[in-house]
Amino acid sequence: GENVEQHPSTLSVQEGDSAVIKCTYSDSASNYFPWYKQELGKRPQLIIDIRSNVGEKKDQRIAVTLNKTAKHFSLHITETQPEDSAVYFCAASMDSWGKLQFGAGTQVVVTP
Amino acid sequence: EAQVTQNPRYLITVTGKKLTVTCSQNMNHEYMSWYRQDPGLGLRQIYYSMNVEVTDKGDVPEGYKVSRKEKRNFPLILESPSPNQTSLYFCASSSGTSGTKPYNEQFFGPGTRLTVL
Repeated sequence: GENVEQHPSTLSVQEGDSAVIKCTYSDSASNYFPWYKQELGKRPQLIIDIRSNVGEKKDQRIAVTLNKTAKHFSLHITETQPEDSAVYFCAASMDSWGKLQFGAGTQVVVTP
Repeated sequence: EAQVTQNPRYLITVTGKKLTVTCSQNMNHEYMSWYRQDPGLGLRQIYYSMNVEVTDKGDVPEGYKVSRKEKRNFPLILESPSPNQTSLYFCASSSGTSGTKPYNEQFFGPGTRLTVL
């Protein structure tokens, strides 16, 4: 089955700096790669996703890149703000509906 | 309001006492899943359901049961809970349809914090 590895497990950044989280996946059949953000005590929520026919996708201060050859994808957060502090999960899926394999998560702390 | 609900939100129980965590969604989603979240392990899928009466095991199904008798409900059953099932549990649903929206965006419930003594 699919295996997703995520690094780093914790990330501390100064407000205004950029944050990068990297994930690798094992199954080349995976074709959907979402990122979820989980604030303290809250449920995970989708923030951005990318499909295998796209190499990069941006949404304001966040962007995701995908390298299918190397089987890795990354989340980039620019101009970080304190409200970006949360746990971020990457995931991979080869189904059309929702069997997601999640990474272990990255705790991001943005210090003012 | 479109949402996924879970009950109870918090539960402390003892080893061996059967319990059920309910999950309901009002978005007419076909697909529903249960996950458990443990520190350092991320979200691991327990069971999922593709439609009424169609369920399958996820990555960590041991000690759990599910049923999908109605489209909107997907209860998680622990027949004989053990301390290693102490965890934060999330139910999620997704539509599975393509289009402009993420076709398998998971909508998560608020979570159920379970402690088994």
